[in-house]
Amino acid sequence: GAGVSQSPSNKVTEKGKDVELRCDPISGHTALYWYRQSLGQGLEFLIYFQGNSAPDKSGLPSDRFSAERTGGSVSTLTIQRTQQEDSAVYLCASSSRSVETQYFGPGTRLLVL
Amino acid sequence: KNQVEQSPQSLIILEGKNCTLQCNYTVSPFSNLRWYKQDTGRGPVSLTIMTFSENTKSNGRYTATLDADTKQSSLHITASQLSDSASYICVVIPYSGGYNKLIFGAGTRLAVHP
Repeated sequence: GAGVSQSPSNKVTEKGKDVELRCDPISGHTALYWYRQSLGQGLEFLIYFQGNSAPDKSGLPSDRFSAERTGGSVSTLTIQRTQQEDSAVYLCASSSRSVETQYFGPGTRLLVL
Repeated sequence: KNQVEQSPQSLIILEGKNCTLQCNYTVSPFSNLRWYKQDTGRGPVSLTIMTFSENTKSNGRYTATLDADTKQSSLHITASQLSDSASYICVVIPYSGGYNKLIFGAGTRLAVHP
């Protein structure tokens, strides 16, 4: 596609449930990033992929969060046993190389009740 | 303490007026500094990118400045339009020697009124 796409655009779930968020980066972009944006807060780095490997997972807030990337393309961010504090917008970005401009998707708005 | 602080937190101006948004950072050393525009419900879009050796960079009605000595940057918007209503985010990329990890400010929310 022409840009980064994310799905679902909105997700409402109950506390304790697992959720999967998907990111389709721009074709050919090797670097992929996940960020979290809480209401009124700046973006928070979660994880970075170069190809299918994740050299930097330092931003994942707990072991309930995990992410994978397959085929050097699509990435999935999984949150297990969701908590209310997980409610936020989860943004994905991709770039042609790690030092190039990052292009962001529209985000997935997660609400944990 | 946030490594990237922006001011003001929010701003209201009339259409056609100019405004300046501020960004102070403590990240050092850094690779480059970027300003992003984020419309409501959308992902951020890059406006300007400056390396530590650049002082100014323009993109249409947007002009960014950088003073690496005082660790300050500003974004000046000229002849504002209603479509400029958005959050403007200052982003600093640390010099991490291999890959970059953006450090985001909390943003300035700008509202342009007719």
